[in-house]
Amino acid sequence: GQQVMQIPQYQHVQEGEDFTTYCNSSTTLSNIQWYKQRPGGHPVFLIQLVKSGEVKKQKRLTFQFGEAKKNSSLHITATQTTDVGTYFCAGPDGNKLVFGAGTILRVKS
Amino acid sequence: DAGVIQSPRHEVTEMGQEVTLRCKPISGHDYLFWYRQTMMRGLELLIYFNNNVPIDDSGMPEDRFSAKMPNASFSTLKIQPSEPRDSAVYFCASSRAGGHANSPLHFGNGTRLTVT
Repeated sequence: GQQVMQIPQYQHVQEGEDFTTYCNSSTTLSNIQWYKQRPGGHPVFLIQLVKSGEVKKQKRLTFQFGEAKKNSSLHITATQTTDVGTYFCAGPDGNKLVFGAGTILRVKS
Repeated sequence: DAGVIQSPRHEVTEMGQEVTLRCKPISGHDYLFWYRQTMMRGLELLIYFNNNVPIDDSGMPEDRFSAKMPNASFSTLKIQPSEPRDSAVYFCASSRAGGHANSPLHFGNGTRLTVT
């Protein structure tokens, strides 16, 4: 079945530094979704990407979908302490959504 | 919109006891998903329903786990008998149209289960 690999597993950055997490799928995806889970919280939908090569921005967050629609990335510019949490990518497998293992972001102030 | 509502928020029980987790999805959402989250295994899909019908339960770990959705506004996940390795956070999520585009999952706050 569908597999979604995500790296790195963990990243600890100084406040103000940039952060990137990468997501790779074993198959071509019709869309990819990104979620954020704060410590002790639940996953919250951030954005979806549908088109090949698509780039979307949300303030300091930039999301990209690869040309082959098999990989994606989330880049945060100038991290802040409010960015801490786990970032998940997720791809559809039929009507199911398969989540990557997530990247845990910690920010040192 | 009250969001997905799960109860209880925390459950502590002894090994061998029956545990029932409850979920109320967002009104109008046709899909309901049960996920389990642990440090070792991440977010695992246990089972999902479409229009109250179980579609895929291949993620249910053992016969000790069962799930029902008697109507569009209520679902339960039951573990009987519970074991310490069942300790995890269990999330319920709902969506309008499964994993398709323009249909994100809305998660409940989760139930943190501890089996001693």
